[in-house]
Amino acid sequence: DAGVIQSPRHEVTEMGQEVTLRCKPISGHNSLFWYRQTMMRGLELLIYFNNNVPIDDSGMPEDRFSAKMPNASFSTLKIQPSEPRDSAVYFCASSPSGPSTDTQYFGPGTRLTVL
Amino acid sequence: DAKTTQPPSMDCAEGRAANLPCNHSTISGNEYVYWYRQIHSQGPQYIIHGLKNNETNEMASLIITEDRKSSTLILPHATLRDTAVYYCIVGRGGTSYGKLTFGQGTILTVHP
Repeated sequence: DAGVIQSPRHEVTEMGQEVTLRCKPISGHNSLFWYRQTMMRGLELLIYFNNNVPIDDSGMPEDRFSAKMPNASFSTLKIQPSEPRDSAVYFCASSPSGPSTDTQYFGPGTRLTVL
Repeated sequence: DAKTTQPPSMDCAEGRAANLPCNHSTISGNEYVYWYRQIHSQGPQYIIHGLKNNETNEMASLIITEDRKSSTLILPHATLRDTAVYYCIVGRGGTSYGKLTFGQGTILTVHP
């Protein structure tokens, strides 16, 4: 099992540019989560999908952030336009349905730096 | 979801048991206790979870008090690779939305 795959692992961009982060969940998992981690705010949940449908996006900070899950094996988190305060590590996680929905498996993260 | 309280940091000697406490005095009857850890520069890793019975797996043991207001994660023989931030989280589990709220956790340092 390859685990959750995220790309790119590192991204450096300039303020105002569009950034797209990608995630491939573990095969067979029905739930997908996007988190953001900073020193100041810790690990924050941005959005949660279940069966490819966004269930809770209350953590998405602004309209500049959007997330999609076009199929069960792929999700994207887009920031447009990016700002320096968006610099953080972004994690994707997936979990199976059923009694273990809170057992989340995290990817290695994407370290985003916005200059 | 109930909040948790953990000590900000702990030390442990290599080869000894590491006992990490967590208070969750407002936990409700259908909420589970979850433990995750995050090794530097990696994504969080699931360790163990429980409802009211003690649990054990290949990584750790989880001891939950009878009133469920606190729990202890036990790493029986800590190694240097167990140095990480350990998060105690209360979540609804089951078939409901598995939202986890991560706090600041406990920084465990295992030293030789």
